[in-house]
Amino acid sequence: GAVVSQHPSRVICKSGTSVKIECRSLDFQATTMFWYRQFPKKSLMLMATSNEGSKATYEQGVEKDKFLINHASLTLSTLTVTSAHPEDSSFYICSAKAIGRGETQYFGPGTRLLVL
Amino acid sequence: EDQVTQSPEALRLQEGESSSLNCSYTVSGLRGLFWYRQDPGKGPEFLFTLYSAGEEKEKERLKATLTKKESFLHITAPKPEDSATYLCAVQAGIAGNQFYFGTGTSLTVIP
Repeated sequence: GAVVSQHPSRVICKSGTSVKIECRSLDFQATTMFWYRQFPKKSLMLMATSNEGSKATYEQGVEKDKFLINHASLTLSTLTVTSAHPEDSSFYICSAKAIGRGETQYFGPGTRLLVL
Repeated sequence: EDQVTQSPEALRLQEGESSSLNCSYTVSGLRGLFWYRQDPGKGPEFLFTLYSAGEEKEKERLKATLTKKESFLHITAPKPEDSATYLCAVQAGIAGNQFYFGTGTSLTVIP
């Protein structure tokens, strides 16, 4: 168990449009979900932490108005990249902590975003 | 400054040649240390969680150990399918809300 899915896996959009990425825990309930971005050959950079039913906590330097996070249920969190620009092109990965399974984060497969 | 450092950055092994990957950390209030495997273009796959110094975890050809300053991921008799980037992450802080990833070790196992 502990499977996390992301949708879409890959998205190409025009500059100025908004893109929504979904993160779902398929076989467990997640009190906390995390959003990361990863640049080529670099490690993961935590963007924000979201708890079900409350506002997300953003890391320093991450624009909350640009990266909107909604954690509507114990199995779903969404990241919306608003007014996307080419510099937002990246690999976005979500993770989730399962209730009753300690601090381990289980990661989704990632979403590749390309903004033209 | 809290940080996590992994070494080496890249490692090439012959099939069957055992070795170790290192993750050293300087954080306040370690809550947990995690090892993940990441294949190109995919999300990290969970391997191990270690919570206290002296703890060890094993899975197939992999064994993770933890001291107060570092963790090792030992790979015994690796196979080509073990080729991947291995990431170490540390959770720290009083509230456990600080999470740091290392930059990874890229492992290539040659048949």
